[in-house]
Amino acid sequence: QKEVEQNSGPLSVPEGAIASLNCTYSDRGSQSFFWYRQYSGKSPELIMFIYSNGDKEDGRFTAQLNKASQYVSLLIRDSQPSDSATYLCASRKTSYDKVIFGPGTSLSVIP
Amino acid sequence: ETGVTQSPTHLIKTRGQQVTLRCSSQSGHNTVSWYQQALGQGPQFIFQYYREEENGRGNFPPRFSGLQFPNYSSELNVNALELDDSALYLCASSLGGGAIDEQFFGPGTRLTVL
Repeated sequence: QKEVEQNSGPLSVPEGAIASLNCTYSDRGSQSFFWYRQYSGKSPELIMFIYSNGDKEDGRFTAQLNKASQYVSLLIRDSQPSDSATYLCASRKTSYDKVIFGPGTSLSVIP
Repeated sequence: ETGVTQSPTHLIKTRGQQVTLRCSSQSGHNTVSWYQQALGQGPQFIFQYYREEENGRGNFPPRFSGLQFPNYSSELNVNALELDDSALYLCASSLGGGAIDEQFFGPGTRLTVL
């Protein structure tokens, strides 16, 4: 079992719709979770981090964390074609530990 | 732009050669992590340096080694290159020790081994 798992996609949504990206993790000791966006040929860009159960909103993005279910999600509201990218979920135990990435989910927003 | 720089941008080597990749951290950051990202996969953790000491290592063989300098810039060295070493190599810097400690990535070095 991989430590961080994501559906590889591709996930296709129409412009203006909500895109829902999901991630599960296996290590219950994980404390903080990150969502990165990666455009083709570019390096990952941090979108959000979350470490408390519940929702965290930042503009069109909402991260959700459920530690009991070991589940993290990212919702993108009013999806735009510019949101088309690979989204990487990552976890970490403490700030001194390594960040473990999932394989990424490819998102395509159709105009 | 994150303020993290890497050099070179692209590199082509042949099997058996050695390579050194470089990373300059964002100002004020004392922690650098290196990742290998193969095509279509997520980044895989190679190792991390905190204040010039290695403080974490992933499942990579000893031919992958690194250094962090007093100015917190860093090098990744790979000896005896293999075809499977072809990948995007990313470094990420962070402040180190904070509650969350967000990492910021450099643009990466694309290594091709022929």
